[in-house]
Amino acid sequence: DIQMTQSPSTLSASVGDRVTITCRASQTISSWLAWYQQKPGKAPKLLIYKASILQSGVPSRFSGSGSGTEFTLTISSLQPDDFATYYCQQFNSFTFGPGTKVDIK
Amino acid sequence: QLQLQESGPGLVKPSETLSLTCTVSGGSISRNEYYWGWIRQSPGKGLEWIGNIYYRGTTFYNPSLKSRVTISVDTSRNQFSLRLTSVTAADMAVYYCARAHLTISGVVDAFDIWGQGTMVTVSS
Repeated sequence: DIQMTQSPSTLSASVGDRVTITCRASQTISSWLAWYQQKPGKAPKLLIYKASILQSGVPSRFSGSGSGTEFTLTISSLQPDDFATYYCQQFNSFTFGPGTKVDIK
Repeated sequence: QLQLQESGPGLVKPSETLSLTCTVSGGSISRNEYYWGWIRQSPGKGLEWIGNIYYRGTTFYNPSLKSRVTISVDTSRNQFSLRLTSVTAADMAVYYCARAHLTISGVVDAFDIWGQGTMVTVSS
């Protein structure tokens, strides 16, 4: 079973900051990884799929990279609407990462 | 635009069966490009994939839940359903249904549209 880890678990940042979240898989998953944003009381929202493809309608300040076992989600300039929890998910066995909460510094 | 809506009892007794339905509106469930899935989230915790179904009935389940889970599809009603037997407090969660994009190579690569979720409490 493929395990997913994310770091950090919590990230405190300010508006305008560049933010990077890392997701690691316990074995290679090629590029079969997606990133989601979730706000309290809401369903997750797809941001990135196949590691680096931006979902339609998602702002270009979000980007994804990586392949194999290590992946990153970058927010180039954090906006007020971006304070949320971010999850990665691999598609070999559909496991989600534990999440990274981005809160206000 | 496509929307998904979960429905079903919000309260289930321990040892009984949880049954939820996801109604797809604004588009057909019988599309070659998509699977349809269930995901849950325990209060204050992360996300757990439960299983997926194709409109022709092919299913994939989380191995940790496989013995208790059945996902079915009703294309005439544009719905798919989840049954989880022998529930315990550990099954208490928000249950989401979602659309899963299927690539040309046959790999699901994202859950791109989600329902709003429905909370299921397990209590006698």
